Amino acid sequence: GDSVTQMEGPVTLSEEAFLTINCTYTATGYPSLFWYVQYPGEGLQLLLKATKADDKGSNKGFEATYRKETTSFHLEKGSVQVSDSAVYFCALSDPGAAGNKLTFGGGTRVLVKP
Amino acid sequence: ETGVTQTPRHLVMGMTNKKSLKCEQHLGHNAMYWYKQSAKKPLELMFVYSLEERVENNSVPSRFSPECPNSSHLFLHLHTLQPEDSALYLCASSQASGGAYNEQFFGPGTRLTVL
Repeated sequence: GDSVTQMEGPVTLSEEAFLTINCTYTATGYPSLFWYVQYPGEGLQLLLKATKADDKGSNKGFEATYRKETTSFHLEKGSVQVSDSAVYFCALSDPGAAGNKLTFGGGTRVLVKP
Repeated sequence: ETGVTQTPRHLVMGMTNKKSLKCEQHLGHNAMYWYKQSAKKPLELMFVYSLEERVENNSVPSRFSPECPNSSHLFLHLHTLQPEDSALYLCASSQASGGAYNEQFFGPGTRLTVL
């Protein structure tokens, strides 16, 4: 079956540091890939997405590139802020599954210190 | 109201109580989902409704009973829960259209505590 593996946290870094969160996946078809973010006390919000190989998703300074050859979708941000402290989830969508089922990674907690 | 709303935001219940969680989406979507988010565990998909028909039930115990009366509303009826059922319950919706991708939009969740 489909699966998503992402690095365990917590990841602690200083403001303006470079952030990378690794995500790799296994899927039988050609999935779409997503990063969701969950701020404290809130639900998940879509951060960015990519629907085919070599697509780059970007939003709020975050970027991730769909790498089919390495089955990866690593999240990066060049200069983090305290407000980026949250839990980040990598996910994939199997287009053949009824109801657009998402498969999530375990989440990576990021803590940015001033 | 916009997006996906959930009520109540917090719920404390005893093991013999019966309660219901409510989710409403204002996005015109036709698929809705219940997820369970426990501390230190991956997000678990519980139920999927597409076009108001249940399409997936991931072996969830019968003490959780979903109901989808129309495409905008989703309920999760709870009865005789266990303390290990304490978690954040998230609702989501999407536009499910013939296998094409559409992202899911999440509500803020209901924090459930079972005593």
